[in-house]
Amino acid sequence: NAGVTQTPKFQVLKTGQSMTLQCAQDMNHEYMSWYRQDPGMGLRLIHYSVGAGITDQGEVPNGYNVSRSTTEDFPLRLLSAAPSQTSVYFCASSYAKSGLYGYTFGSGTRLTVV
Amino acid sequence: AQSVTQLDSQVPVFEEAPVELRCNYSSSVSVYLFWYVQYPNQGLQLLLKYLSGSTLVESINGFEAEFNKSQTSFHLRKPSVHISDTAEYFCAVNPRAREKLTFGTGTRLTIIP
Repeated sequence: NAGVTQTPKFQVLKTGQSMTLQCAQDMNHEYMSWYRQDPGMGLRLIHYSVGAGITDQGEVPNGYNVSRSTTEDFPLRLLSAAPSQTSVYFCASSYAKSGLYGYTFGSGTRLTVV
Repeated sequence: AQSVTQLDSQVPVFEEAPVELRCNYSSSVSVYLFWYVQYPNQGLQLLLKYLSGSTLVESINGFEAEFNKSQTSFHLRKPSVHISDTAEYFCAVNPRAREKLTFGTGTRLTIIP
């Protein structure tokens, strides 16, 4: 089925470890983004990309890196995990930067940092 | 900069009763408005959207939302809720000239049998 695929679905990390959350879409969407969801805070934008080779910071970028080498993939890297990064992470993609068609979300990655 | 306010973090409603989930926004430019729904342990799904034209928009499962420019609101309503409507609902705004979608903090709708 077409859509946004996120892996892994669950992950437990120790403080200081690094890891990469994977996101792939097969809809030829130019726009991709990463959000984190925390109780009472809604979704906060971490990083986004408007096309291959182009990335930019959202409102909470510290501690995360991204790259966009292909249209399909947009991995999120945690450089040195901290307990404050315990959250549910969602990847989203869209045809239009303006949001005309809405965003398609993946099913999320639940990350716990101990 | 734009922002979205969802005043109610939780809304309990009896089954078959009506519900209104409130959303207010602020923006200095014209915006697109969205409601997304997140069922337990799933990602967000687009429920409905307002882009232009008729101020009343409807979803396929009985929800509707009305864009009120003077009150800068986009409240979500359903005349009769079902157990399957249990979910968290997010209002979102996107300025027409930019690409970022700004979400509200969400309203958790709980249906009481």
